[in-house]
Amino acid sequence: GDSVTQMEGPVTLSEEAFLTINCTYTATGYPSLFWYVQYPGEGLQLLLKATKADDKGSNKGFEATYRKETTSFHLEKGSVQVSDSAVYFCALTDTGGFKTIFGAGTRLFVKA
Amino acid sequence: EAGVTQSPTHLIKTRGQQATLRCSPISGHTSVYWYQQALGLGLQFLLWYDEGEERNRGNFPPRFSGRQFPNYSSELNVNALELEDSALYLCASSFRGRNEQFFGPGTRLTVL
Repeated sequence: GDSVTQMEGPVTLSEEAFLTINCTYTATGYPSLFWYVQYPGEGLQLLLKATKADDKGSNKGFEATYRKETTSFHLEKGSVQVSDSAVYFCALTDTGGFKTIFGAGTRLFVKA
Repeated sequence: EAGVTQSPTHLIKTRGQQATLRCSPISGHTSVYWYQQALGLGLQFLLWYDEGEERNRGNFPPRFSGRQFPNYSSELNVNALELEDSALYLCASSFRGRNEQFFGPGTRLTVL
């Protein structure tokens, strides 16, 4: 069945460091891919998305590229801030839109 | 524009009782999704409603049920509560046929 695997956390970085959170997926057809972020005590917010191969989603300095050949959607940011501390979830929605599968989440801590 | 709202914010029940959680989607959204987020774990898909009908169901026992009303709001009912049902329950909404989901802040259910 469809699945999403993302790197285990927590990830601890210093401010202005480069961030990569790996995400790979297994799916049939042409899923849409998402990164959601959950700040402490809040619900999830959509961070970025990509709906087809080679699409790049970007928002707030974060980027991720839909790589069909490697079935990956890694999240990157060139310079993290303390305010980026949160849990990040990679997700896919299947071709028919019938289900959305989330990865286990990766907690990011950014130190000043 | 108002976001997805959920009530109550917190709910405390004892084993064997029933819990009812409520969700109001963003205006114009016809799909409502329910997820369970247990402590330290990722999101587990529970239910998807669209246009008043259950469209998909995750791997949960039948004591987890719900419905969607004509105004597209939704209710999640959990019968015969067990200790392991303690979790944050998140509701999300979307336009039918669109993959992007918007999340509410969640209901924290504690079963004693």
